[in-house]
Amino acid sequence: DIQMTQSPSSLSASVGDRVTVTCRASEEDIRNSLTWYRQKPGKAPELLIYGAFRLQSGVPSRFSGSGSGADYTLTISSLQPEDFATYYCQQYYRTPYTFGQGTKLEIK
Amino acid sequence: QVQLQESGPGLVKPSQTLSLTCTVSGASITSGNFFWTWIRQPAGKRPEWIGRIYTSGSTKYNPSLNGRVAISADSSMNQFSLTLTSVTAADTAVYYCARLDGHYDALTGDYDYGFDIWGQGTMVTVSS
Repeated sequence: DIQMTQSPSSLSASVGDRVTVTCRASEEDIRNSLTWYRQKPGKAPELLIYGAFRLQSGVPSRFSGSGSGADYTLTISSLQPEDFATYYCQQYYRTPYTFGQGTKLEIK
Repeated sequence: QVQLQESGPGLVKPSQTLSLTCTVSGASITSGNFFWTWIRQPAGKRPEWIGRIYTSGSTKYNPSLNGRVAISADSSMNQFSLTLTSVTAADTAVYYCARLDGHYDALTGDYDYGFDIWGQGTMVTVSS
């Protein structure tokens, strides 16, 4: 299985801050087969980014994705109150699809 | 507007079979380039992909479940279902059904995928 490792595991920030979360795959090159999700407590994950950098329809433009090979990044340009949640990366390069361990974004 | 809704027992005894159904509204499970999937998430842990069924009926499962899982579809009811046999406490989790949507990239000739629609999730506890 492809292992996905996120960093950091938790992050404190303030409304308006710019934050970055990284995700590394155990496979050398997953060819941009990478998605990002936001999960609020008690809710299902929401798709933010697919194909490493493609913004899902309806998702605010403050979210962006980048990267290549094994290393990928999610950036939130200006944090909003609803963004304090847990973020997961997920690869679909090969089944079984696998998720990162999550990054919990907390209010400073 | 496509919606998914899980249903099934919230409590299952060890060694018994877990059965859940996902009812899809707003779209047909037999049309389009979609994979209908099951994902579970133990409390405080990352999601785990269980398996998928394509609109054609073909299936694929997570090998970590050691052959205990089956996903089937009922087109007349527009539902797909999960069966997990010989459950243990390790199978306790919130179970989600989700749609895996594919977007064709003409430049690369590949598809990009994402779980774009999810059910609200249903908590299943394995306990005697």
